[in-house]
Amino acid sequence: EDQVTQSPEALRLQEGESSSLNCSYTVSGLRGLFWYRQDPGKGPEFLFTLYSAGEEKEKERLKATLTKKESFLHITAPKPEDSATYLCAVQSGAGSYQLTFGKGTKLSVIP
Amino acid sequence: IAGITQAPTSQILAAGRRMTLRCTQDMRHNAMYWYRQDLGLGLRLIHYSNTAGTTGKGEVPDGYSVSRANTDDFPLTLASAVPSQTSVYFCASSDSGTGLNGYTFGSGTRLTVV
Repeated sequence: EDQVTQSPEALRLQEGESSSLNCSYTVSGLRGLFWYRQDPGKGPEFLFTLYSAGEEKEKERLKATLTKKESFLHITAPKPEDSATYLCAVQSGAGSYQLTFGKGTKLSVIP
Repeated sequence: IAGITQAPTSQILAAGRRMTLRCTQDMRHNAMYWYRQDLGLGLRLIHYSNTAGTTGKGEVPDGYSVSRANTDDFPLTLASAVPSQTSVYFCASSDSGTGLNGYTFGSGTRLTVV
């Protein structure tokens, strides 16, 4: 059974204070690892897909990296508008194309 | 604006009643999904459809049914609602059955069963 664990559950940062969110996973052959952003009262918004260990992707102040057992979402010099819940999900190479989501990390960036 | 429309936005439903949550997309995506999101449990897949005319069961399908008569619409029906179905329901779509290009989610339906 695929499993995704995100840590920490919640993170408070001062504006400009860089940090990382962690996503640990166990999966039967990784097809893809996904990061989504979710704002309160809204549906998740797709950020990145990572396919293999060593891959990195960037978008504005966000950079996602992938190893064989975990992924990190690095946030550089965050701004208050980066406040959201960040969700990690995996898709295994076995069976259907379903995603298994983690419970998310709620990020608050304080001005 | 291209995307997914869900209706209603919120609903209070008496236990035992039948309810259909509507989902329409205008992106001509082949695959569509229904998730529920509960505090402390995250997003869990209820049902999915890789293409019009086909559907499949996800992680938590019991008490729910879906149909996919055409590409754009993917309604979710609760035949006889129970309080444990109180949740926020999200419809999503992807341009391929693999979903590797990411899902587009709707804004959700907040359902309370009393």
